[in-house]
Amino acid sequence: DIQMTQSPSSLSASAGDRVTISCRASQSISRYLNWYQQKPGKAPRLLIYTTSTLQSGVPSRFSGSGSGTDFTLTITSLQPEDFASYYCQQGYSTPWTFGQGTKVEVK
Amino acid sequence: QVQLQESGPGLVKPSQTLSLTCTVSGGSITSGAFYWSWLRQHPVQGLEWIGYIYYTGSTYSNPSLKSRVTISLDTSKNQFSLDLSSVTAADTAVYYCATDVRSSSGGGSGYWDHWGQGALVTVSS
Repeated sequence: DIQMTQSPSSLSASAGDRVTISCRASQSISRYLNWYQQKPGKAPRLLIYTTSTLQSGVPSRFSGSGSGTDFTLTITSLQPEDFASYYCQQGYSTPWTFGQGTKVEVK
Repeated sequence: QVQLQESGPGLVKPSQTLSLTCTVSGGSITSGAFYWSWLRQHPVQGLEWIGYIYYTGSTYSNPSLKSRVTISLDTSKNQFSLDLSSVTAADTAVYYCATDVRSSSGGGSGYWDHWGQGALVTVSS
């Protein structure tokens, strides 16, 4: 199975901050990397698929980049509704696997 | 807009079979547009993909669970279901049904764009 490792596991930030979350795959996954946002008690929400394509309805302050084994999710100008957990997930080969998550908390 | 809703017992005894149903609205389960998927989220271990079924009845499951997983369709009710046998406390999790968009190459896209709200299942005697 492909292992996905996110860093950091948590971070503290303020509204308006630029936030960067990293995700590393244990082997090359080309650009088959997806990002989800999850709020407490809710299902994950697809934000970005295949590295950089924004899902419909996702604000443009979210962006993704990377290829191979190293990927990044960036949130420019963090908004109050962005405090949540974020997960990366590889869609390169089954079994599809997730990172352990990054919790973005209020500073 | 496809909507999904999980239903089933919230408590299952060890060694028994966990059974959940996902009711689909806003779209037909036989449309061929989606691979109908199950995932779960453990309190500590995180998110795990369980498997999927296509409208043809074709299924694929995570090898780590494959021997215990059965995914089926009920087209008359626009539902699909998950059976997980021989459960232990390690199967305690929130279970989600979700849609994996069929890709242009015919397989799943490997990501999930619609999710149910989730169903907490606790395995305990």
